[in-house]
Order: sequence, then C-alpha cells, then structure tokens
Amino acid sequence: AQSVAQPEDQVNVAEGNPLTVKCTYSVSGNPYLFWYVQYPNRGLQFLLKYITGDNLVKGSYGFEAEFNKSQTSFHLKKPSALVSDSALYFCAVRDVLRGKLIFGTGTRLQVFP
Amino acid sequence: AAGVIQSPRHLIKEKRETATLKCYPIPRHDTVYWYQQGPGQDPQFLISFYEKMQSDKGSIPDRFSAQQFSDYHSELNMSSLELGDSALYFCASSLELGRDTEAFFGQGTRLTVV
Repeated sequence: AQSVAQPEDQVNVAEGNPLTVKCTYSVSGNPYLFWYVQYPNRGLQFLLKYITGDNLVKGSYGFEAEFNKSQTSFHLKKPSALVSDSALYFCAVRDVLRGKLIFGTGTRLQVFP
Repeated sequence: AAGVIQSPRHLIKEKRETATLKCYPIPRHDTVYWYQQGPGQDPQFLISFYEKMQSDKGSIPDRFSAQQFSDYHSELNMSSLELGDSALYFCASSLELGRDTEAFFGQGTRLTVV
C-alpha cells in the first residue's frame, strides 16, 4: 500500500527564516509525489509535484521540494518564509493504478512576524 | 482559467435527511474525485470516476452514492444523514486518470448535519 507520513503536526518559523515541512513516503515502484496547501475554509491548492527528473522541484509561491530516494523523503522548503505562508500543508502520493491522491495528515505552518 | 466548481458552498441538513452535492470539473478533464475532510483531519478519498465510469472506491458509506454525467459533472448523493457526516466535501478533477498530472480541487461544500 502506498502512503505518506508527515511527522510534524505544526512547524513554527520566524518571517524571513528558511522553512522545511517534512514528508516521507512508502510506495512500491516509482513515487508520484505532490504538495498541496490549504488556507482556512478553502480548497487545496497545488504547489508542486515530483514525477521524474531533477530531485529539486520548484513550485508556486517560491516553494521547492527535494526528492531523496535513499531517505524516501520529499521535504517542502522555502528559503525565506512569509507570514502569508501560514496555512495547512499536505503531502500526497498518487495511487498509480487508480489515480487517486493519498494524503498525509497535514502540517500546520505558522510564520511569526 | 476555469477551476473546479462545487455547489452549494454551504449546506445545513437535519439528521436522516438527504443531500446532493454537485461538482463541475475543469473543461476537458475527464476524471473526478470526491474527498471528505473532517475537522482537523486530512482529506479521505471517497470515490472517483473516469469517463463516466466509477474508477475507484474508498471509504464511502453505503448511504452515499455518486455518478458522473455525460457532461462530466458529478453528483454525490447522501441519504439518511448522520451527525458524523458533517464535514468539508471536496471534488477534484484531473486529466486522463494521469499519474503525472495534478488534481485540481474545488472550494468544497461544507455540510453541517444538525
């Protein structure tokens, strides 16, 4: 079975500092990995994806993620956090047979001024 | 650009009533997914459709049913509603059940059962 894990319920960071939101995956075969962000009472917005190719993937709003096969990780990063980045972040893996996304439990990012 | 449209945005129903949620995918997207997100929880997959046929089924109660119509919009029908059905229901669409294509989510329907 395919799954992702987000070990941190919440990440706190000061504005201007770099941020990392962690995600590890468990899949058989090649993983198709995604990051989504959810603002309060809103839908999930796509940030970035890893399918194949470069291990460093760049996405929306200055976010990037690093795919590490040996550590089975796909951590989300941003060099300089903004207060407006405060939201709920979900890592997801795609079920390659059925197409559905399987989500992690989410990490709440709080960026303090 | 057109996005996934869900209606209604908010719905209040009493126990044992029925509810119908609608989803209009992005034009030319042929795959629709339904998710349920409880308070403070991650989205849980309910059911999906590809080219108007059910493609996968998750943790969807027997009281719920769904279908995708000829114009690719989808409806989630919920009967005998229970308090525990109160949640945010998301619809997402993608192209060709693709492994490498992202799914785009609607704003969700917040269902409150009282």
